[in-house]
Amino acid sequence: KAGVTQTPRYLIKTRGQQVTLSCSPISGHRSVSWYQQTPGQGLQFLFEYFSETQRNKGNFPGRFSGRQFSNSRSEMNVSTLELGDSALYLCASSPQGAAYEQYFGPGTRLTVT
Amino acid sequence: GENVEQHPSTLSVQEGDSAVIKCTYSDSASNYFPWYKQELGKGPQLIIDIRSNVGEKKDQRIAVTLNKTAKHFSLHITETQPEDSAVYFCAARGGGADGLTFGKGTHLIIQP
Repeated sequence: KAGVTQTPRYLIKTRGQQVTLSCSPISGHRSVSWYQQTPGQGLQFLFEYFSETQRNKGNFPGRFSGRQFSNSRSEMNVSTLELGDSALYLCASSPQGAAYEQYFGPGTRLTVT
Repeated sequence: GENVEQHPSTLSVQEGDSAVIKCTYSDSASNYFPWYKQELGKGPQLIIDIRSNVGEKKDQRIAVTLNKTAKHFSLHITETQPEDSAVYFCAARGGGADGLTFGKGTHLIIQP
């Protein structure tokens, strides 16, 4: 089976812009979770989607949003980018939900200048 | 919410020796504890996990132990090899509706 894929792999944006990141889960997996990884804060949970519904949300501002499509592919959006949003954004898919094993993609490296 | 502490932050061992990484968690309702290995430029890779109804789990050279009373769990790697060099993360899923809470990571260095 193919693993989790994320596009793009690298992205450079300017402060104030918005960005959309994409994630394709492992075939058959219905749950997609998003995490932010930074050197200072480590890995932090953003949100989880299951069958097109957001089930859980981490402690991030409303500028961070996401959605899931009927084919389980997911996108996350960050509006009004700030310098502190520079991070590796990781997507993880799970067959049944975040309570079970999650498999991560390679991530999207976002740099905000 | 859940809080996970991980120690040490860096661990250097001789090739062939064992490595142990320890984590503690705060939420007594946590029920799922995975371990991930992350190599440079890659996403975290699930290497082993354990649930709260099990005390120990092994997979070849890797084992994880869980002490629910003390709220800590550990990763044991035996007969370490150069390819074990990476950053290892522990995580816990709390009793609430959150995703995984991760430790800060341990940089494992295998000395030849």
